[in-house]
Amino acid sequence: EPEVTQTPSHQVTQMGQEVILRCVPISNHLYFYWYRQILGQKVEFLVSFYNNEISEKSEIFDDQFSVERPDGSNFTLKIRSTKLEDSAMYFCASSVLAGGYNEQFFGPGTRLTVL
Amino acid sequence: GENVEQHPSTLSVQEGDSAVIKCTYSDSASNYFPWYKQELGKRPQLIIDIRSNVGEKKDQRIAVTLNKTAKHFSLHITETQPEDSAVYFCAADGNSGYALNFGKGTSLLVTP
Repeated sequence: EPEVTQTPSHQVTQMGQEVILRCVPISNHLYFYWYRQILGQKVEFLVSFYNNEISEKSEIFDDQFSVERPDGSNFTLKIRSTKLEDSAMYFCASSVLAGGYNEQFFGPGTRLTVL
Repeated sequence: GENVEQHPSTLSVQEGDSAVIKCTYSDSASNYFPWYKQELGKRPQLIIDIRSNVGEKKDQRIAVTLNKTAKHFSLHITETQPEDSAVYFCAADGNSGYALNFGKGTSLLVTP
């Protein structure tokens, strides 16, 4: 069964550094998402992406964040200047459709630790 | 925006008993209500979902009910087994249809 994959599984970085988290969505999916989960807390929506543009973003997704689909398979989340509070598990997800038929499949996550 | 409340935060049951987790949502435009199971250190995995045109859905030991008027939905697990132990999250899709808004999760422990 196809799965969403993410790399790296764990990223450690210094405060102020840039990080890029990578995701390969399921190949026939059209909608892509990033979520984050701070340890012990709920999953929080960051951004959704469709047809090479952002379709929705949350308040968390400020100017420090950006997303890109650099080629036909990868979907990336960039954090320009990391802060301590960016430490979290970041999940990529993808779905075939949206808007009520929105079954989203999650990747295994990247644990980001900002020191 | 959509606000999803989930109760209880922890639930402990004996193996074989039933478990019920309840969620409420605020946005009447929400149409899609999935439930995810997350084992420690792993990805959330969809276990069942329900759409707004259906009041109940069942898949073996798992069922979900939806009351659109009252804006609440519930997960029912019957004949619980130790491997059901995990954190369960409810979610709702909100007005835009893109973002899933998650509840805070219920940590379910099934003791043998």
